[in-house]
Amino acid sequence: DAGVIQSPRHEVTEMGQEVTLRCKPISGHDYLFWYRQTMMRGLELLIYFNNNVPIDDSGMPEDRFSAKMPNASFSTLKIQPSEPRDSAVYFCASSMADGYNEQFFGPGTRLTVL
Amino acid sequence: RKEVEQDPGPFNVPEGATVAFNCTYSNSASQSFFWYRQDCRKEPKLLMSVYSSGNEDGRFTAQLNRASQYISLLIRDSKLSDSATYLCAVTTGFQKLVFGTGTRLLVSP
Repeated sequence: DAGVIQSPRHEVTEMGQEVTLRCKPISGHDYLFWYRQTMMRGLELLIYFNNNVPIDDSGMPEDRFSAKMPNASFSTLKIQPSEPRDSAVYFCASSMADGYNEQFFGPGTRLTVL
Repeated sequence: RKEVEQDPGPFNVPEGATVAFNCTYSNSASQSFFWYRQDCRKEPKLLMSVYSSGNEDGRFTAQLNRASQYISLLIRDSKLSDSATYLCAVTTGFQKLVFGTGTRLLVSP
């Protein structure tokens, strides 16, 4: 079975540019999570969705970040405009609503903002 | 105080050694606890859940101490392939996990 799919795997952009990260969760999973990982702050939850509806976006750092989930098989995380401090690895994860809470992570997108 | 705290390490151990990591959490209402493993430049993967009564999976043993609000991971007979970063994770709400920053383990020949 295919796991969580993310694209692109690597993104290098210049400050001020728009960046769009994409995620396809595991089929049948009800929850989708966006995380950001840096050396300094570790793995931080940005936002998560349940059945395509955003449940908690308290981790989104500022208005430059937005996330959507138009259907059960696709989500985007957009940064506009990007800044060098946004450089990090962004992970998408999904899980089933079975109470067990195991989250399956995608391979991540390594973002570098110059 | 961070919600979940871990010693970043690194823990340097020889093959065959036993090593233990602790992770403390601040939310006494947390219900579910996990250990994830993350290899260099890879995604985190679930290693094991942590049950109230403690649980074992081969060379790995996880314990939960609710009174002191910490979880532990014990690795026996360390292998070179155990070298990785170990992240603890705690639920703070239904389906919402908070991760520690990880403990790095280096197993040497």
